Amino acid sequence: DAGITQSPRHKVTETGTPVTLRCHQTENHRYMYWYRQDPGHGLRLIHYSYGVKDTDKGEVSDGYSVSRSKTEDFLLTLESATSSQTSVYFCAISESGGLNMNTEAFFGQGTRLTVV
Amino acid sequence: GDSVTQMEGPVTLSEEAFLTINCTYTATGYPSLFWYVQYPGEGLQLLLKATKADDKGSNKGFEATYRKETTSFHLEKGSVQVSDSAVYFCALSQYGSGNTGKLIFGQGTTLQVKP
Repeated sequence: DAGITQSPRHKVTETGTPVTLRCHQTENHRYMYWYRQDPGHGLRLIHYSYGVKDTDKGEVSDGYSVSRSKTEDFLLTLESATSSQTSVYFCAISESGGLNMNTEAFFGQGTRLTVV
Repeated sequence: GDSVTQMEGPVTLSEEAFLTINCTYTATGYPSLFWYVQYPGEGLQLLLKATKADDKGSNKGFEATYRKETTSFHLEKGSVQVSDSAVYFCALSQYGSGNTGKLIFGQGTTLQVKP
């Protein structure tokens, strides 16, 4: 199994509070991704990173920010949580991203976030 | 933009029944196509993939063929087991210079197999 750890695995927070989710990898992969999973939508990309300090937005980035200060860690922050951000969040890693069609993306076990 | 559409679930089958989960896509160029599986309480695992037209991906008895003429990548298994109960996601990704490897997913199909 690819070495990906997400923390926390479960979190309940109140509307308006900041929340940070962490993704830690031991594979030294260049690319890291944050997705959210919602019924009827599958998984949708929030943000991704293509290197240390290099990040970009995905299709549902509003209300989220990310940081990557080290290769192994990719943080997702909800600056002021809202009920619409209640979801399951998945981190994924990829060695070469879109440069190699034979590269596989590996997923963490997910973080279930509930905003009340 | 690129998109993936899967058949609505849930799909309920008896053990040893034949499985088909339909997947169609809209994309520019020649994306790679994937099926991921998510067992209860776990993350996604790659089940199989195909990187060009007419390729057949296969794994654990599951198969899917990349059909460019019908823009489809239907998942099939000849005889399902209770242990195949999971959520199945069809996805695509573009490759080449300027692409990030991000995955575009269908909405997922829940499969329940009864003994």
